[in-house]
This record gives sequence, C-alpha cells and structure tokens, in this order.
Amino acid sequence: GDSVTQMEGPVTLSEEAFLTINCTYTATGYPSLFWYVQYPGEGLQLLLKATKADDKGSNKGFEATYRKETTSFHLEKGSVQVSDSAVYFCALSKTQGGSEKLVFGKGTKLTVNP
Amino acid sequence: GAVVSQHPSRVICKSGTSVKIECRSLDFQATTMFWYRQFPKQSLMLMATSNEGSKATYEQGVEKDKFLINHASLTLSTLTVTSAHPEDSSFYICSASSLHRQDQETQYFGPGTRLLVL
Repeated sequence: GDSVTQMEGPVTLSEEAFLTINCTYTATGYPSLFWYVQYPGEGLQLLLKATKADDKGSNKGFEATYRKETTSFHLEKGSVQVSDSAVYFCALSKTQGGSEKLVFGKGTKLTVNP
Repeated sequence: GAVVSQHPSRVICKSGTSVKIECRSLDFQATTMFWYRQFPKQSLMLMATSNEGSKATYEQGVEKDKFLINHASLTLSTLTVTSAHPEDSSFYICSASSLHRQDQETQYFGPGTRLLVL
C-alpha cells in the first residue's frame, strides 16, 4: 500500500544551520505531497505542498521539490531559527472511497538551539 | 483562511464515562472531516472519514461503536468516545477539507484534544 518514510529524528541544529529532512514515498498513481509542521502543544499546520512532478512547494523559507524519479520530497531550509523547532510530518494524499486521505510519515522532531 | 477549531482542548474523565469532542470549521464549509489519533512520539493514525449528512467510514481496526462520529452540518463534526478506558487516552485531532475550495485536497487541522481517562 501507499506509504511515507521520513528520516528518523531527533534532529538538533544550531541557529542559522542548513536543514534537510528526507522524505520518500511509495504510491500508485501520482499523489500530491505535503509537509505539515506541529509546534509544541498545537495541531498540525500545512507548511507547503506540491501537486505534480517537478513542482516546488515553498513557505517561510522552507522548500521541497516533488521528485518523481526518486520518489522523494525532501524538506530544506537554508538558515533555521529557534522558532522552527517543531515536529515535521511528510504526507501524501490518495483518493480512497471518494475522499482524499492523507498518509503520514512518522514525523521528525527538530530542535534548533541559539 | 481555513480555520478549524476543536473543543475541548483538554479533558479528563473517569473510566466508563463518555466524552464528546467537537470539531468546527470556522470560515469555510467542510464537505469532509477526518478524525485522527496521535500516540506520543508517533504519527497520526486516521480513524474515520465523514462526509456531511452521511455515515462515517471507519478505518480497519477502529471500533465504530466505541468511537461515534456525527457530521450533522457543513461546519460541525463530533467524536464521542463511549465507555472510555485508560487505553483510550490519547491526542485526538480533526481535520477538514472542502470540495468548494480551490485547494480541495488540502486538509486543515484543528489544534487537537488531549483526552486522559483515569
């Protein structure tokens, strides 16, 4: 079945460091891909998305490119801030029973130290 | 915007009682709402999908008589945990999407409800 695999955390970086969180997927067809972020004590927020191959999603300095040939959607940011500390979830959407359902990776916890 | 709220944010109940959690889409009509459960340090597990006015579709392994879902209007869905037990303690999160929005496949999440059953 469809699945998402994320790099295991936790990831700890210093402020202004470069961030990469790897995400690969297995799916039939052409799913849309998402990154969600969960700040401590809060629900998930959509960070960015891409709906077709070679699309690049971007938001708040984060970027991810939909790579069909490597079935990947790695999240990157050039210079992280303390406020980026959160859990990041990669997800794909699939249509099942007439509804779009999300399949999530296990999440990667990021801690950014000053 | 696309704001989803949940109430309550936190609830503590005694074993054997029932708890109702509300999920509301505040500024859009949610044609589909989803209920997830999140265990500590783990990913979200989809419990059920509900479309307005119809019965919820439960994922395999989720007891429909235990977790009652009602989606009575385009802005409100409720999850009732019946006869709660300590193993039902978890973080419950709802999300909503809308066929009327351009980003119809995007789910917008509520802030979650922390349930603790004593």
